[in-house]
Amino acid sequence: GAGVSQSPSNKVTEKGKDVELRCDPISGHTALYWYRQSLGQGLEFLIYFQGNSAPDKSGLPSDRFSAERTGGSVSTLTIQRTQQEDSAVYLCASSYRVGLGLETQYFGPGTRLLVL
Amino acid sequence: TQLLEQSPQFLSIQEGENLTVYCNSSSVFSSLQWYRQEPGEGPVLLVTVVTGGEVKKLKRLTFQFGDARKDSSLHITAAQPGDTGLYLCAGVIGTASKLTFGTGTRLQVTL
Repeated sequence: GAGVSQSPSNKVTEKGKDVELRCDPISGHTALYWYRQSLGQGLEFLIYFQGNSAPDKSGLPSDRFSAERTGGSVSTLTIQRTQQEDSAVYLCASSYRVGLGLETQYFGPGTRLLVL
Repeated sequence: TQLLEQSPQFLSIQEGENLTVYCNSSSVFSSLQWYRQEPGEGPVLLVTVVTGGEVKKLKRLTFQFGDARKDSSLHITAAQPGDTGLYLCAGVIGTASKLTFGTGTRLQVTL
């Protein structure tokens, strides 16, 4: 079966422009997570969605970052007015449900964002 | 503040050698996972440990969760080039649903 897919795989943008990153989770998975992986900072949690519950946005670094999940499936992470420090790999993961860390999270290949 | 510190950061060894990677924290975790990530791909779950003192084996990999659930180790016996990659520990604190990832250990196994 298909795994988690993300698009685009690579994105180069100019400072100040907005970008949208897309994630298609595994069909039937109710939980969806966004992470950011950058050099020297490891892999950090950004936001997660669980079914129809309000998303946990506690990891978003600033109000320039937002995410939505339409129809409980596809998710889009939007970064407005991009800055050079936003350059990183943005990873999406999904799991069958949120289960106190016992559920397996399946990761996509990531979107590599470079802000010039 | 990095809640999970891994050591070493980098490890380059020859095929057949043994190695241990450590994951330490001052926080208590309700569960802890280990992932391996290869270049250009997302992390892939290797194991989840839940009980303090728990030991799990996956072929040549042995995972241990500390008695106090604040630390964990990954031991690889007779490393192979296919073990090359970035190893990440990740924990859940309390009833939170998000994972806190460690700083990562980059392993290179050469022939």
